[in-house]
Amino acid sequence: GESVGLHLPTLSVQEGDNSIINCAYSNSASDYFIWYKQESGKGPQFIIDIRSNMDKRQGQRVTVLLNKTVKHLSLQIAATQPGDSAVYFCAENSNQAGTALIFGKGTTLSVSS
Amino acid sequence: EPEVTQTPSHQVTQMGQEVILRCVPISNHLYFYWYRQILGQKVEFLVSFYNNEISEKSEIFDDQFSVERPDGSNFTLKIRSTKLEDSAMYFCASSGEYEQYFGPGTRLTVT
Repeated sequence: GESVGLHLPTLSVQEGDNSIINCAYSNSASDYFIWYKQESGKGPQFIIDIRSNMDKRQGQRVTVLLNKTVKHLSLQIAATQPGDSAVYFCAENSNQAGTALIFGKGTTLSVSS
Repeated sequence: EPEVTQTPSHQVTQMGQEVILRCVPISNHLYFYWYRQILGQKVEFLVSFYNNEISEKSEIFDDQFSVERPDGSNFTLKIRSTKLEDSAMYFCASSGEYEQYFGPGTRLTVT
């Protein structure tokens, strides 16, 4: 089975709404979690990361929450914009430099104006 | 802002042919990676490279695959004898330590 996965394959929101994208992971040894955004025809773009010694981290319009008890990760996007439309992947690894990222299947976020 | 670059953007090859995909990682990064993404699926790890040797590889990275850093800037992935199932987007990534930054990818089509 896969180490990291997402609850919903698609999410549709209205411009200005807040979006929440969820991810469940199964590897308790994972120490480092990352959210990537992938636009059509492009490579994954780093959004935000979090280490297992934290439960929340904020960036510009984005917040990542980590619940280690239930092995759940979420990405919150405030005031979602049409430019946020993309596929969002969570990924994890063991927080050692140079190690493989294990990606989940991705959630397609569609923002309508 | 520095970025990972990849060439070509699209490569079409016949089954059984050799292909070389090229990448220029971010200049001060020490770790280099190749991933692939079959159309509509998740990104899969192939190999990581550090200090001029492979540090980790997945079961996908069999004897048909090899990587090389031929000079101080390029990082290449070679597939010796391509198969139809090698058709995918191939992404190069690099990192200083933890944050991996991805290139735009090379779409490989094997016919």
